[in-house]
Amino acid sequence: ETGVTQTPRHLVMGMTNKKSLKCEQHLGHNAMYWYKQSAKKPLELMFVYNFKEQTENNSVPSRFSPECPNSSHLFLHLHTLQPEDSALYLCASSQDAIAGAGGGHNEQFFGPGTRLTVL
Amino acid sequence: DQQVKQNSPSLSVQEGRISILNCDYTNSMFDYFLWYKKYPAEGPTFLISISSIKDKNEDGRFTVFLNKSAKHLSLHIVPSQPGDSAVYFCAASLPYYLSNTGNQFYFGTGTSLTVIP
Repeated sequence: ETGVTQTPRHLVMGMTNKKSLKCEQHLGHNAMYWYKQSAKKPLELMFVYNFKEQTENNSVPSRFSPECPNSSHLFLHLHTLQPEDSALYLCASSQDAIAGAGGGHNEQFFGPGTRLTVL
Repeated sequence: DQQVKQNSPSLSVQEGRISILNCDYTNSMFDYFLWYKKYPAEGPTFLISISSIKDKNEDGRFTVFLNKSAKHLSLHIVPSQPGDSAVYFCAASLPYYLSNTGNQFYFGTGTSLTVIP
């Protein structure tokens, strides 16, 4: 496997279910991100992990719970979601800003996303 | 409040012609801009970037222009090819010292480009 992989690619769940999204990066990066993409909206950054430490939580509801056990894996645990949470969830990775070149800007590499439908 | 805007949701261009995709931003502190390309069922892939110290960056058929005074950037694709048909996202980034994460991107809503053979 190369690049950034995400599983599952599609997920349908009820509002009372608990599920998890998985992301794995094979690029040797040390920063990982969760984004949400809803129809006709820009990609919304949800969480950022640098060196396994969460450095950003963009006011995301607690029904979304991230986990980063190591710099290669990122999970998004879902519970008691709402229908408006239906969206494409994208994972990305990059070199962290401090270690990277270009004045702190490092290209983010995205996975294919998980299409989530909440019934 | 959306800081990066792509006001054209779609664009159709004849093969061989120039495609021009536009992006506006509101935060004058952004110092780095990127374009990503997304095919259906795939994640966005990096296309080209530009630092705020430049006004133009070229890579093959792709050129990005930055007009800081107008807070506007554009992506030119010439000549356009059918394989360029995709959704194009503009993104902007703050200097690392102004960002909690150091590498947070602010994305636009995307422009869907269709290149007609």
